[in-house]
Amino acid sequence: AQTVTQSQPEMSVQEAETVTLSCTYDTSENNYYLFWYKQPPSRQMILVIRQEAYKQQNATENRFSVNFQKAAKSFSLKISDSQLGDTAMYFCAFMKQTSGSRLTFGEGTQLTVNP
Amino acid sequence: SQTIHQWPATLVQPVGSPLSLECTVEGTSNPNLYWYRQAAGRGLQLLFYSVGIGQISSEVPQNLSASRPQDRQFILSSKKLLLSDSGFYLCAQSPSLFSGRAEEQFFGPGTRLTVL
Repeated sequence: AQTVTQSQPEMSVQEAETVTLSCTYDTSENNYYLFWYKQPPSRQMILVIRQEAYKQQNATENRFSVNFQKAAKSFSLKISDSQLGDTAMYFCAFMKQTSGSRLTFGEGTQLTVNP
Repeated sequence: SQTIHQWPATLVQPVGSPLSLECTVEGTSNPNLYWYRQAAGRGLQLLFYSVGIGQISSEVPQNLSASRPQDRQFILSSKKLLLSDSGFYLCAQSPSLFSGRAEEQFFGPGTRLTVL
């Protein structure tokens, strides 16, 4: 079975600064996907960024980028130029390529952006 | 684009009462559908998923059940609620495997269930 671990229950950052959220996972699979989801106070789950394990290049979406280290099974999220609207719970998630889109989530990191 | 509706948004029910939560999807055909539960301050736990009408797979044993009577309708039910059923229930959909990008899941707005 796959497990996803987010070791930082809470983090805070000043507006306009950069913050990195950690995620590690455990799997014996070679082909899989990794995701970061954002859940603001509205509790709507929003996909932030995705990474295919077969791609060596780290995914980037505007101010959001990942540092994917396949050998270390690490998948951290970097948020640059943090904005107040980035305040949310962030979940790391794993999916086997053949699992029919069944996601395994970490426990989440609550990020607070301070003005 | 696809839209996911969940009804009701909030629900307070007594222990032992029945439950029916509804999820409907627009803008896509033959999606994979999912029910997740999120306890307060915790991550999401997959409860059920469905790859087609009448096809339901259960991830964890519990007193909940799911049904898919139509292609874009997914229902979560219980005959007798327990206190431990309280939580935030999220419905999600992803394109079918034959549509490509089946790995992307999109979530509905959720239902907050409180069992007293």
